Amino acid sequence: GAGVSQSPSNKVTEKGKDVELRCDPISGHTALYWYRQSLGQGLEFLIYFQGNSAPDKSGLPSDRFSAERTGGSVSTLTIQRTQQEDSAVYLCASSPRLAQSYNEQFFGPGTRLTVL
Amino acid sequence: SQKIEQNSEALNIQEGKTATLTCNYTNYSPAYLQWYRQDPGRGPVFLLLIRENEKEKRKERLKVTFDTTLKQSLFHITASQPADSATYLCALDISGGSYIPTFGRGTSLIVHP
Repeated sequence: GAGVSQSPSNKVTEKGKDVELRCDPISGHTALYWYRQSLGQGLEFLIYFQGNSAPDKSGLPSDRFSAERTGGSVSTLTIQRTQQEDSAVYLCASSPRLAQSYNEQFFGPGTRLTVL
Repeated sequence: SQKIEQNSEALNIQEGKTATLTCNYTNYSPAYLQWYRQDPGRGPVFLLLIRENEKEKRKERLKVTFDTTLKQSLFHITASQPADSATYLCALDISGGSYIPTFGRGTSLIVHP
């Protein structure tokens, strides 16, 4: 596929459970970003990766959130002990390179997370 | 407080007219500003980027202006079509040269046939 893919597209979980969200960026894109979007809200930055390292984790809302990226490709966002306020659409984006001027971001379709 | 403002009310226009959307920001000196389109259930799609030293940029029926004195960007769609109906997001760097844009909440555009 040519675009960014995310899985699952929808996830319903019970409060207190852990969830893993997956992002497959466009092949060759070195930068990868995670955002979340709540109803009627803008995109909230969570974390970005340059290659496999995460220079900026400042957007992660709590220590229940973590993310990793392996092989400079696939990334997983993990939310432990989910809370109802974690319900949102989680969007992943990639761009060709970070250390250049302000690249456009290519977004995936998102994972809609609902915590009951 | 630092913020990016986009009109939360939907913009309704007739097909063929020019749609103008506004993005205002305070307390930033961004090096660039981007506009994205987002359809329901989908991720945003990049449309245009304009840099601080550019006043205007065009792409097909789209035009973006950037006034760093007014701290405002205007996004125009000429000869609008119902297919242009979507939410339009502006994004800019809030820390002067950051490669991670901060997004506004977006404005919904509805083009009526």
